[in-house]
Amino acid sequence: NAGVTQTPKFRVLKTGQSMTLLCAQDMNHEYMYWYRQDPGMGLRLIHYSVGEGTTAKGEVPDGYNVSRLKKQNFLLGLESAAPSQTSVYFCASSYVTEQYFGPGTRLTVT
Amino acid sequence: ILNVEQSPQSLHVQEGDSTNFTCSFPSSNFYALHWYRWETAKSPEALFVMTLNGDEKKKGRISATLNTKEGYSYLYIKGSQPEDSATYLCAFNDYKLSFGAGTTVTVRA
Repeated sequence: NAGVTQTPKFRVLKTGQSMTLLCAQDMNHEYMYWYRQDPGMGLRLIHYSVGEGTTAKGEVPDGYNVSRLKKQNFLLGLESAAPSQTSVYFCASSYVTEQYFGPGTRLTVT
Repeated sequence: ILNVEQSPQSLHVQEGDSTNFTCSFPSSNFYALHWYRWETAKSPEALFVMTLNGDEKKKGRISATLNTKEGYSYLYIKGSQPEDSATYLCAFNDYKLSFGAGTTVTVRA
C-alpha cells in the first residue's frame, strides 16, 4: 500500500516549457487535490477533483490544467511554465474529510 | 478564498515547557477543522479532525480544542520535546480545505 505517490520528485524547467506532474493513490479515494506551497503562505489549492472525470478550480488555478481520467490518477499540467510557478507541489487524496498527502514535487522555473 | 489565520507564525520553546497556539477561521458554514503536523522535507500528516463545538482531541502530549461559535481552535503541546519541532497547519473544511500559513515550532534542548 503505497498511499499517495508523486512523479517526479524534482524538476527544473525553462520559461515557456510544459510538463505534467502525476499523482497516484491506491486507497480508492474519490477526492484528489493539487496544492502549491510557497514560503509564508501555507498550502494553496490549485485544482481538485471529486471523482473520476470531474475537476474543479481551487484558489490559484491560473496557468494550470488538470485531468482525472482514472480514479487513481490526478494529473497537473503546466502548458507554458513561468518563474512564478516555482514552488513545491503537493498532491492529496481523501475519502471524506481527512486528506493524505504525497511527498511533494519541487519545481524550479528559470 | 477563506481567511484562516494562525498565530504566532513561529515560536521557540525550551524542552520540557508547554506551549499553545491559535487558528482562527470563519464561524459560518463550518463543517470541520483539521490540524496537520508538517516536518521539514516530509509531507503533512493529519493530527486531528474536529467537527463539533467544544470538541477536545488528544494524541499523546498534543491536544486541541475547538470553538466554532467564535471561530478559533487552540493546539497545545505539553512538555515539549525536540521531536515536536515542526510546522503545525490548521485547515478549515467547507468541503474543501483552506489552510492557514502555519505555526513553526522549534523546541530547544
